[in-house]
Amino acid sequence: DTGVSQNPRHKITKRGQNVTFRCDPISEHNRLYWYRQTLGQGPEFLTYFQNEAQLEKSRLLSDRFSAERPKGSFSTLEIQRTEQGDSAMYLCASSLATGRAEAFFGQGTRLTVV
Amino acid sequence: GQNIDQPTEMTATEGAIVQINCTYQTSGFNGLFWYQQHAGEAPTFLSYNVLDGLEEKGRFSSFLSRSKGYSYLLLKELQMKDSASYLCAVNVGGGSQGNLIFGKGTKLSVKP
Repeated sequence: DTGVSQNPRHKITKRGQNVTFRCDPISEHNRLYWYRQTLGQGPEFLTYFQNEAQLEKSRLLSDRFSAERPKGSFSTLEIQRTEQGDSAMYLCASSLATGRAEAFFGQGTRLTVV
Repeated sequence: GQNIDQPTEMTATEGAIVQINCTYQTSGFNGLFWYQQHAGEAPTFLSYNVLDGLEEKGRFSSFLSRSKGYSYLLLKELQMKDSASYLCAVNVGGGSQGNLIFGKGTKLSVKP
């Protein structure tokens, strides 16, 4: 297993367009997280799944954001009607649900809204 | 709400010791993590504390006091490659006990 994989690595889109990102976690991990990170800041929690169930969602997440993990494996994060303020690095992480459960991160998708 | 505080920036000299502090006020606590993040890269796991006390791992040690809501990361024999951001993260529990919240990070600069 090569770790957490995110696609695409970079996305440039025009304001108002919809974008979708994909995350493939480490295969035996049942927890999956999405974070947003801007320059000089720590990762900001967006949402979290355990298997296919979305268990937590940040109150900061507007209705334009939606995430799915249909079969408890890969996950998608969609942003509708993108705004310039959505420009950021979107990080996905996965972990086991037992024991120390440290999160392993993917390389992220850098979104630029122009 | 969840509050995790760290200093924004620190500077230290190669070969020295540096301590990065983290204080937290969270709705729950299921463990505290430290991550290292080099510029433009993903965070990587450094250490984990769930019980009070010190965990040592080579040049890195991490301490936790749950009653004080306080942790620190100690880096010894600093090397230039240790220049990075250090992120404190708390598992605050919640649904199925897995919600992981990060602080804003401490940018460490190691100088010759």
